[in-house]
Amino acid sequence: AQSVTQLGSHVSVSEGALVLLRCNYSSSVPPYLFWYVQYPNQGLQLLLKYTSAATLVKGINGFEAEFKKSETSFHLTKPSAHMSDAAEYFCAVSDRVLTGGGNKLTFGTGTQLKVEL
Amino acid sequence: KAGVTQTPRYLIKTRGQQVTLSCSPISGHRSVSWYQQTPGQGLQFLFEYFSETQRNKGNFPGRFSGRQFSNSRSEMNVSTLELGDSALYLCASKDQGPSYGYTFGSGTRLTVV
Repeated sequence: AQSVTQLGSHVSVSEGALVLLRCNYSSSVPPYLFWYVQYPNQGLQLLLKYTSAATLVKGINGFEAEFKKSETSFHLTKPSAHMSDAAEYFCAVSDRVLTGGGNKLTFGTGTQLKVEL
Repeated sequence: KAGVTQTPRYLIKTRGQQVTLSCSPISGHRSVSWYQQTPGQGLQFLFEYFSETQRNKGNFPGRFSGRQFSNSRSEMNVSTLELGDSALYLCASKDQGPSYGYTFGSGTRLTVV
């Protein structure tokens, strides 16, 4: 079964500092990978996705992630944190092959990002 | 394009009652999925519908059911509510093909008292 592990349930950075949120996946074949962000009392917003077109994926709001097969990782980064980045971030994995059973997302446990002045 | 619309946003129900939540996907999206989000269990997959057929089901009891209509709108139903059913229920829709990301609605916050 597929799974993702997000290291660090809480990450705190200073405004202007690098943001690094970690995600490792477990899958027998390279899956599709996604990063979502959730603001309080909101649904999930797609930040970016990896579908094998390129290993470095750029998303919205200045975020990007790099797919590293050798490390089974898909870490999310942003060069300079902004106060508005404070939110919860979820890494998710989906089957690459549509087996006829549908494509559910399996989420990590989330990382709460705090941005301090 | 309008986003995924979930109604109602908030709901308070009593144990033993049943509840129906509604989801209108993005126009043209035929795949609709439902997720339950709780502080303890995180985000858990409930089920996915495509063209009115349930394609995948998560590990939830039979009290949780859903359906999809010909216009792709979806409903989920929870019968005999338990306190543990209190959660944020999220609906998501996507275009065909597994490489497309799901677009989520704002959710329905269900509180069971």
